[in-house]
Amino acid sequence: GDSVTQMEGPVTLSEEAFLTINCTYTATGYPSLFWYVQYPGEGLQLLLKATKADDKGSNKGFEATYRKETTSFHLEKGSVQVSDSAVYFCALSDRGETSGSRLTFGEGTQLTVNP
Amino acid sequence: NAGVTQNPKFQVLKTGQSMTLQCAQDMNHNSMYWYRQDPGMGLRLIYYSASEGTTDKGEVPNGYNVSRLNKREFSLRLESAAPSQTSVYFCASRGGVYSPLHFGNGTRLTVT
Repeated sequence: GDSVTQMEGPVTLSEEAFLTINCTYTATGYPSLFWYVQYPGEGLQLLLKATKADDKGSNKGFEATYRKETTSFHLEKGSVQVSDSAVYFCALSDRGETSGSRLTFGEGTQLTVNP
Repeated sequence: NAGVTQNPKFQVLKTGQSMTLQCAQDMNHNSMYWYRQDPGMGLRLIYYSASEGTTDKGEVPNGYNVSRLNKREFSLRLESAAPSQTSVYFCASRGGVYSPLHFGNGTRLTVT
């Protein structure tokens, strides 16, 4: 079945440091890929997405590129801020024929940014 | 725009008690989902409903039942709560295959 593997956390960085959170996946076919972010006490929010190979998703300074050859979708940001402290989830969606197709999530990576 | 609304936000149950978690979305989405979130395990799908009138089991359906009451509402029921069901429960909806999930803010359930 489909699976998503994220780098283990927690990750602690200083403000303005470069961020990479690794994500690799296993899936049949051509899934869509997503990064979600969860702030304390809240539900998950979509951060960015990519629907086909070589697509780059970007939002709020975060980027991730859909790499089919390495089955990866690593999240990057050039300069993190304290407000980026949250849990980040990588996810994939199989391209089923109905909108009931399911998302498979990674375990999440806790990011803490210190001033 | 409310999005996905869950009630209650917090609940404490004793072992063996029953309860229903409510979820409603106002985005006219066809698909709705129930996940549970536990430390170190990410999100696990309990049940989902691809469209009004259909429901299907996810990864961890045991001990739960669901009802897709109409297009807007999708409830999750615990018939006889167990301590292993202590978790944060999230409802989500989506509009299409390539669309992202929209999540509620969660229900934090403790079973003693």
